[in-house]
Amino acid sequence: GDSVTQMEGPVTLSEEAFLTINCTYTATGYPSLFWYVQYPGEGLQLLLKATKADDKGSNKGFEATYRKETTSFHLEKGSVQVSDSAVYFCALSAISGGSNYKLTFGKGTLLTVNP
Amino acid sequence: DGGITQSPKYLFRKEGQNVTLSCEQNLNHDAMYWYRQDPGQGLRLIYYSQIVNDFQKGDIAEGYSVSREKKESFPLTVTSAQKNPTAFYLCASKDPGREQFFGPGTRLTVL
Repeated sequence: GDSVTQMEGPVTLSEEAFLTINCTYTATGYPSLFWYVQYPGEGLQLLLKATKADDKGSNKGFEATYRKETTSFHLEKGSVQVSDSAVYFCALSAISGGSNYKLTFGKGTLLTVNP
Repeated sequence: DGGITQSPKYLFRKEGQNVTLSCEQNLNHDAMYWYRQDPGQGLRLIYYSQIVNDFQKGDIAEGYSVSREKKESFPLTVTSAQKNPTAFYLCASKDPGREQFFGPGTRLTVL
């Protein structure tokens, strides 16, 4: 079945450091890929997405490129801020049960950014 | 503003009791989902519904039940058959071809 493997945390960085969170996937067909962010005690918010190979999703300084050849969707940010401290989830969606798109999540990576 | 409302934010129940978590959306989305989140486990799908009066089991449906009588509402009942119900529960909805939108979640604690 489909699966997502992402870098285990926790990750602790200083403000303005470079961030990479690795994500690889296994899926049949051509899934869409997502990064969601979860701030403490809240639900998930979509951070960025990519729907086909070589697409780059970007938002709030974060970027990730859909690499079909390496089945990866690594999240990067050039200069993190304290406000980026959160849990980050990599996810893919594929067709399940007809036309419904089911999300499969990685286990999440906790990022802490210190001033 | 459009969005998803989950209530209550915190819920406590005694062992052996059933409890119902509310999820309401005013986004006019057809599909709705319930996930369970445990520390270090990511999110796991409990049930989903693509249209009113229809729903399917997800990966961990045992001990849970749902209904979908209205487009905007998808309540989840945690029954006494669920062996380890303490968790953070997230509801989501989506339109075809779009990403899932999530509610703020309900934290259920069994005493």
